Amino acid sequence: SQQGEEDPQALSIQEGENATMNCSYKTSINNLQWYRQNSGRGLVHLILIRSNEREKHSGRLRVTLDTSKKSSSLLITASRAADTASYFCATDAVRMDSSYKLIFGSGTRLLVRP
Amino acid sequence: KAGVTQTPRYLIKTRGQQVTLSCSPISGHRSVSWYQQTPGQGLQFLFEYFSETQRNKGNFPGRFSGRQFSNSRSEMNVSTLELGDSALYLCASSFSGVSSYNEQFFGPGTRLTVL
Repeated sequence: SQQGEEDPQALSIQEGENATMNCSYKTSINNLQWYRQNSGRGLVHLILIRSNEREKHSGRLRVTLDTSKKSSSLLITASRAADTASYFCATDAVRMDSSYKLIFGSGTRLLVRP
Repeated sequence: KAGVTQTPRYLIKTRGQQVTLSCSPISGHRSVSWYQQTPGQGLQFLFEYFSETQRNKGNFPGRFSGRQFSNSRSEMNVSTLELGDSALYLCASSFSGVSSYNEQFFGPGTRLTVL
């Protein structure tokens, strides 16, 4: 079963507006990552936030993490048409042998209208 | 540094056939993970290889297998293809030291269509 669920499933905004996407997960994590995917292509890593961090910024991106609510949000400020893509949150599931896998949410499809 | 490369980019097969996909990680990365992406199930973890050993496995049938070579390149094999195996197969590499705080770098994917 997927660890992360994202909300909303789809979002349509005007260029210049801010876009907020939310992600919820079920179990304890070490970190949470956000990825972007342009139509049917590979994933691009956007930002990683560790479980002991509450907020992180990278350019026009702002990510928050609330481990008590098991939720995260991604804010894209001053959106551009080029931001049109699907956005996924991913949480890690670390085993005792340090092996590593990402569990992805269902994604938010963002459309930025020019 | 060159990114993660996957070959082929597109593949069309028929039911019952088998297929092998290839992934070359970023130089120096020792961990390679494979994911399947479908419209219905989303992105699902298949398996992870580290230093030629499978360290982690998702919930996929035994028809899905993989291996990793000494140069960290990895292959994924699917035998007896089913229509439901049509998907985008993504490979990701990471350095994967002791810490779990590793960014995974994804390749462009292989689009497999099973007819």
